[in-house]
Amino acid sequence: SQQGEEDPQALSIQEGENATMNCSYKTSINNLQWYRQNSGRGLVHLILIRSNEREKHSGRLRVTLDTSKKSSSLLITASRAADTASYFCATASNAGGTSYGKLTFGQGTILTVHP
Amino acid sequence: EPEVTQTPSHQVTQMGQEVILRCVPISNHLYFYWYRQILGQKVEFLVSFYNNEISEKSEIFDDQFSVERPDGSNFTLKIRSTKLEDSAMYFCASSREGRNTGELFFGEGSRLTVL
Repeated sequence: SQQGEEDPQALSIQEGENATMNCSYKTSINNLQWYRQNSGRGLVHLILIRSNEREKHSGRLRVTLDTSKKSSSLLITASRAADTASYFCATASNAGGTSYGKLTFGQGTILTVHP
Repeated sequence: EPEVTQTPSHQVTQMGQEVILRCVPISNHLYFYWYRQILGQKVEFLVSFYNNEISEKSEIFDDQFSVERPDGSNFTLKIRSTKLEDSAMYFCASSREGRNTGELFFGEGSRLTVL
């Protein structure tokens, strides 16, 4: 089954605008994480939200989690050109007991912020 | 700030050759992982490693793959006989906690091209 599907696939905005990316998943999760990837680079952890949390903030980032709908959103406020990157949600499943670092990534949203 | 380092950054090899990708995880981390990303596709979990043994592995991680922590600092991924479809970016990651999968710290990746 597909896990962590993001939409939109691509998002183009102007500097200063907010960017919202959505993620849907299918199985029961322990937590959901968002990562950022600059082109050709490694993944950088942004924020983790646990299954018993509904909302979390970190600087200009706001993440929500709705486990009844199996969905999450990442909001970047007051975007900057430096936010241009791919953003991935990744789920840590709790199916079958403890998971050891197995994250299931989505396809990602390519965010372009124009100066 | 501590980081995960990977070598080589890019390796080109002939089909059927053995390849070893190397990683130095963050020094106080105990859990280590390999993921891969085929161009244009999702990041996929390969294997997790703790206490000198594999904790979990995916279907991708077949008998052609092996992992080792030979000297207490390096963590290696070996592909015994490379295939064309092994061409991908391979990411090493490490974490402080392993159970229930917290934040992963990724390296910059090793790009493997199999000709």
